[in-house]
Amino acid sequence: GAGVSQSPSNKVTEKGKDVELRCDPISGHTALYWYRQSLGQGLEFLIYFQGNSAPDKSGLPSDRFSAERTGGSVSTLTIQRTQQEDSAVYLCASSLVLSGQAGGKTQYFGPGTRLLVL
Amino acid sequence: GESVGLHLPTLSVQEGDNSIINCAYSNSASDYFIWYKQESGKGPQFIIDIRSNMDKRQGQRVTVLLNKTVKHLSLQIAATQPGDSAVYFCAENGGGGSNYKLTFGKGTLLTVNP
Repeated sequence: GAGVSQSPSNKVTEKGKDVELRCDPISGHTALYWYRQSLGQGLEFLIYFQGNSAPDKSGLPSDRFSAERTGGSVSTLTIQRTQQEDSAVYLCASSLVLSGQAGGKTQYFGPGTRLLVL
Repeated sequence: GESVGLHLPTLSVQEGDNSIINCAYSNSASDYFIWYKQESGKGPQFIIDIRSNMDKRQGQRVTVLLNKTVKHLSLQIAATQPGDSAVYFCAENGGGGSNYKLTFGKGTLLTVNP
């Protein structure tokens, strides 16, 4: 597609429920990233994918968070047993490549999923 | 740890004036910098980038200046328009061809008064 898309755009859930957030990167982009942004704050890095593999999961806040990527394209971020502190905007970005020339590493962001845990 | 920060959290300008948003970084190994614009309710939008082997780069109405001596980055917006009102983030890449991570500053809120 023309840009990174994310779904749903908004999600309201009850504490303790599981949620799945989806990201469709720009076609042809091999690298994909997930960030979290709390109200009025900067971006907190969560995880990145090179192809279907996620070499570094240290940014995930807890073991309730997991992510996968299939076919080198779509990625899903899953939050199990959601807590109120999980409420935030979850942003996905993709880049042409993970490493190499600086321009190829430029990350392009989707519109985000606004998660509210009641 | 290394960090990227902003000198001014908020900036208010009159329509038509030039805006300057500043950013300080601490990682001397950073070799790539990006400015993003984030409007309310939207994801960050790429504005302009610059590599560490450059000290200036110009786009449409925007200019990014890099001063490696004092580890300072700035975004200049010419003839600021109401549509420029947003939060602006600087981001830096820590250096090395395999360093994927972008570290973001907290952002500066730019308000353009008509």
